Amino acid sequence: DAGVTQSPTHLIKTRGQQVTLRCSPKSGHDTVSWYQQALGQGPQFIFQYYEEEERQRGNFPDRFSGHQFPNYSSELNVNALLLGDSALYLCASSRDRSGYTFGSGTRLTVV
Amino acid sequence: DQQVKQNSPSLSVQEGRISILNCDYTNSMFDYFLWYKKYPAEGPTFLISISSIKDKNEDGRFTVFLNKSAKHLSLHIVPSQPGDSAVYFCAASARWGKLQFGAGTQVVVTP
Repeated sequence: DAGVTQSPTHLIKTRGQQVTLRCSPKSGHDTVSWYQQALGQGPQFIFQYYEEEERQRGNFPDRFSGHQFPNYSSELNVNALLLGDSALYLCASSRDRSGYTFGSGTRLTVV
Repeated sequence: DQQVKQNSPSLSVQEGRISILNCDYTNSMFDYFLWYKKYPAEGPTFLISISSIKDKNEDGRFTVFLNKSAKHLSLHIVPSQPGDSAVYFCAASARWGKLQFGAGTQVVVTP
């Protein structure tokens, strides 16, 4: 049973560019959350998707947007990249209160 | 707003001894608390959780204690093993909403 799958694992982008990160949730999970983890810090909540809608959002600018597809997979889009967007982006899936399962993350470097 | 704090960035413990990791929170609405373990290049892995209606939860070598009046929780690992060397994150949620993480504690288990 595959857990949470994220792609790509690593990515290098230039300031001002746009990026799309992808996440496939664990089988049976219907909720996807995205987190940003900067170096030396804990993960920070970006937003959560359920039934293809954004259900909760953290303190991130509108440059960060997302989408959830009918098969529960999700994308995170970041526009107009800044150097400060360099981080590990984690996807977590869940169902009810059964617990979150995290993927291994996408390491984004903005140069 | 740092609502979950792990004030010890690192902890060194001898193999076989007890590791005690501490976490403080400020939001009295938090009703579910979790500990995650993270190895480099991997996503956080769920370790143990506790609901606010309990004050202790035990799973093998891991025990989490919750002191609601002090808004404090701790994770005890007994006995500590070399494979326990990792970064440990405390996280909390309110009504199964977003997870708020502490900054993490790097645990090093020495022979």
